[in-house]
Amino acid sequence: DAGVTQSPTHLIKTRGQQVTLRCSPKSGHDTVSWYQQALGQGPQFIFQYYEEEERQRGNFPDRFSGHQFPNYSSELNVNALLLGDSALYLCASSVQGSNTGELFFGEGSRLTVL
Amino acid sequence: AQSVAQPEDQVNVAEGNPLTVKCTYSVSGNPYLFWYVQYPNRGLQFLLKYITGDNLVKGSYGFEAEFNKSQTSFHLKKPSALVSDSALYFCAVRDRLSGGYNKLIFGAGTRLAVHP
Repeated sequence: DAGVTQSPTHLIKTRGQQVTLRCSPKSGHDTVSWYQQALGQGPQFIFQYYEEEERQRGNFPDRFSGHQFPNYSSELNVNALLLGDSALYLCASSVQGSNTGELFFGEGSRLTVL
Repeated sequence: AQSVAQPEDQVNVAEGNPLTVKCTYSVSGNPYLFWYVQYPNRGLQFLLKYITGDNLVKGSYGFEAEFNKSQTSFHLKKPSALVSDSALYFCAVRDRLSGGYNKLIFGAGTRLAVHP
């Protein structure tokens, strides 16, 4: 049973560029969340997708956008990259309506903005 | 506002000794609490959770955590530390304002260093 998979694992961009990160949820999961983990900090919630719609959003600007596909996979897009966007981006999946609240995380995509 | 605090940036312990990683929370109502571990250049791995019931929760790799409602704490413990336990540990609480959606609020993390 494959867990949460993310791609790419590492990437380097320059300021002003755009980036797309991809995530496939754990088998049987229908909800995907994205978190940003800056160096030395805990993960910060970006947004969550369920039934191909953004359901919740954290305190991130509109430069951060996402998408969920019919197969439950998801993309995170960041436009007009800033140096401060350098971070580990984590995808987490879960089952909608689960009362346990447990999230399953991927290995992350490490973005470096130069 | 809901939040989680991990008061120690780093905890150092000798192999074989008991370890405690501290966490306090601030949330209205009954909390859902979690511990995750992160090894270098890896994602987060689930260790254990408290939803309801027994205040002592047992999880993966011999870890356990004690929920204390009066002290609003959820400290992570292990009776005998291993060098392989060295990692970054995160406490998290489920955002009760997220409705039916599982949104977690994380602490800043505590680095555990177990010395041989």
